[in-house]
Amino acid sequence: GNSVTQMEGPVTLSEEAFLTINCTYTATGYPSLFWYVQYPGEGLQLLLKATKADDKGSNKGFEATYRKETTSFHLEKGSVQVSDSAVYFCALRTSGTYKYIFGTGTRLKVLA
Amino acid sequence: ETGVTQTPRHLVMGMTNKKSLKCEQHLGHNAMYWYKQSAKKPLELMFVYSLEERVENNSVPSRFSPECPNSSHLFLHLHTLQPEDSALYLCASSYSGYENTDTQYFGPGTRLTVL
Repeated sequence: GNSVTQMEGPVTLSEEAFLTINCTYTATGYPSLFWYVQYPGEGLQLLLKATKADDKGSNKGFEATYRKETTSFHLEKGSVQVSDSAVYFCALRTSGTYKYIFGTGTRLKVLA
Repeated sequence: ETGVTQTPRHLVMGMTNKKSLKCEQHLGHNAMYWYKQSAKKPLELMFVYSLEERVENNSVPSRFSPECPNSSHLFLHLHTLQPEDSALYLCASSYSGYENTDTQYFGPGTRLTVL
């Protein structure tokens, strides 16, 4: 079946450090891939998405590239800020189903 | 961001109470979803409605009863809940629900505590 695997957290970084959160997936067909972010006390917000192989999604300095050959969609940011502290969820979606498959989330803590 | 709103934001209820959660979307979407988010667990999809018809029901106990009177509103009726039902309940909506490029937009959630 379809699945998403994210790196275990928490990830703790200093401000301005480089961020990578790994995400790999298993899916039949050609899924779309998403990163959502959840700030404390809030719901999930779409951060970025990619709908086909080699697409790069980007938003607010975050980037992720849809790599079909490695079935990965790693999230990166060149310089994190304290305000980026949140939980990040990788998700996939395939046609013909209403289900999104979410990873377990990775908590990021950025220290000033 | 006020595209998807949920009320109440916090709810405390006893096991014998009956309460309802409300979700409203202002995005012109046709599909709406209920998720349960518990600590240290993946998001659990509970129900999906597309064009006001329930299309997914993921083995959710009957003490949770959804209602979708129109494409903008979604309710989750709660009765005789258990303490393990305490969680953050998230509502989401999307344009069509069925295409893989379809994007879900989430509300802020209702934090439910069952005593």
